[in-house]
Amino acid sequence: AQKVTQAQTEISVVEKEDVTLDCVYETRDTTYYLFWYKQPPSGELVFLIRRNSFDEQNEISGRYSWNFQKSTSSFNFTITASQVVDSAVYFCALSEAWFGNEKLTFGTGTRLTIIP
Amino acid sequence: EPEVTQTPSHQVTQMGQEVILRCVPISNHLYFYWYRQILGQKVEFLVSFYNNEISEKSEIFDDQFSVERPDGSNFTLKIRSTKLEDSAMYFCASTEAGTRNTGELFFGEGSRLTVL
Repeated sequence: AQKVTQAQTEISVVEKEDVTLDCVYETRDTTYYLFWYKQPPSGELVFLIRRNSFDEQNEISGRYSWNFQKSTSSFNFTITASQVVDSAVYFCALSEAWFGNEKLTFGTGTRLTIIP
Repeated sequence: EPEVTQTPSHQVTQMGQEVILRCVPISNHLYFYWYRQILGQKVEFLVSFYNNEISEKSEIFDDQFSVERPDGSNFTLKIRSTKLEDSAMYFCASTEAGTRNTGELFFGEGSRLTVL
């Protein structure tokens, strides 16, 4: 069975600080995909990144970066120079990588509050 | 940019009533999904649908739930006799079929169901 753990329920940081959101996953599959989604107060789910299990390169997109460590089954997300607009709930998710099935297992989410 | 659209955005119903939530997936997508998020909790997979049949469903998706693709564009979730615990945000999602290189799952903005 797949499982995603986001141990940090809530985090508050002052604007412009860096913040890292942790994600630890469990799966028996050798091939899988990891995702991060953002859920702003308006409620929709905004896709941030997808990473497959064979690609352990870290990725940077603007102020966002992701650190995938297969050895520790972690896929952490860092926001540098945080802004108030980053305030949201962030979900890490995992899916099996077989033909077209995007059954995602989500973590419980981390509520991030950026204090102006 | 193509998007998944859901109606209604919010529905209030009495316990025991039937509810139909509607979704229009992205036009060239062939895999469709419903997910549920009880307020303040994680997003949970309900069902996936491909080629006019359910390909996978979760334990939550019991006999009270059904899905249908009544025409070439709509994808519906029916709850036959709503219970208080069905109150949640329901997300429709779709993705392209075709390869093991699974991509982004496109979510709609959600339909909030309140059962009184």
